Amino acid sequence: AQKVTQAQTEISVVEKEDVTLDCVYETRDTTYYLFWYKQPPSGELVFLIRRNSFDEQNEISGRYSWNFQKSTSSFNFTITASQVVDSAVYFCALSEASTFTTNFGNEKLTFGTGTRLTIIP
Amino acid sequence: ETGVTQTPRHLVMGMTNKKSLKCEQHLGHNAMYWYKQSAKKPLELMFVYNFKEQTENNSVPSRFSPECPNSSHLFLHLHTLQPEDSALYLCASSPWGDIAKNIQYFGAGTRLSVL
Repeated sequence: AQKVTQAQTEISVVEKEDVTLDCVYETRDTTYYLFWYKQPPSGELVFLIRRNSFDEQNEISGRYSWNFQKSTSSFNFTITASQVVDSAVYFCALSEASTFTTNFGNEKLTFGTGTRLTIIP
Repeated sequence: ETGVTQTPRHLVMGMTNKKSLKCEQHLGHNAMYWYKQSAKKPLELMFVYNFKEQTENNSVPSRFSPECPNSSHLFLHLHTLQPEDSALYLCASSPWGDIAKNIQYFGAGTRLSVL
């Protein structure tokens, strides 16, 4: 069964510091997809990134970067030079390609419990 | 703005009330989802609809009744709820059928309190 663990429940850092959010996953599928979503105080989950299991290349988008390591089953998220607007709950999620097929063409997402990030001005 | 709109944003109801949550998506997607988000727990998938047909009911109690009249609208009808049903209810939508493009987009949720 698939599982996502975000061991860090809450993190607080001072503005402009770098911060890394950890995500460890478990799956038996060889084809799977990993996601990060951001949930600001307003409530909506904002999609940040989707990565497939065959693409281990790290990705950078502005101040955000993601490190995918299949050897350790981790998909960590780093925010560089953090800002107050980065304060939110961040969720890591996993979907397995096999569930896509058996779920009538829908991805079945398994979410972690989230990490609450607070950026202190 | 994610393209998925949920109303109301906040709802307080007694255990004997009947209320409905509404979700509307403007993304041209064909799949819609209801999730429940409780404190300290992962998001729980409740229902999935594809092209207006329900394809997933994740053992949700019958006091929650979904309705999907078309691919753009999704409702969650609530009746005789329990205090433990208090949570944030999130709606999502996604394209259907192409796993390469399948990303779920979420609304801001309805914060439900059952007294």
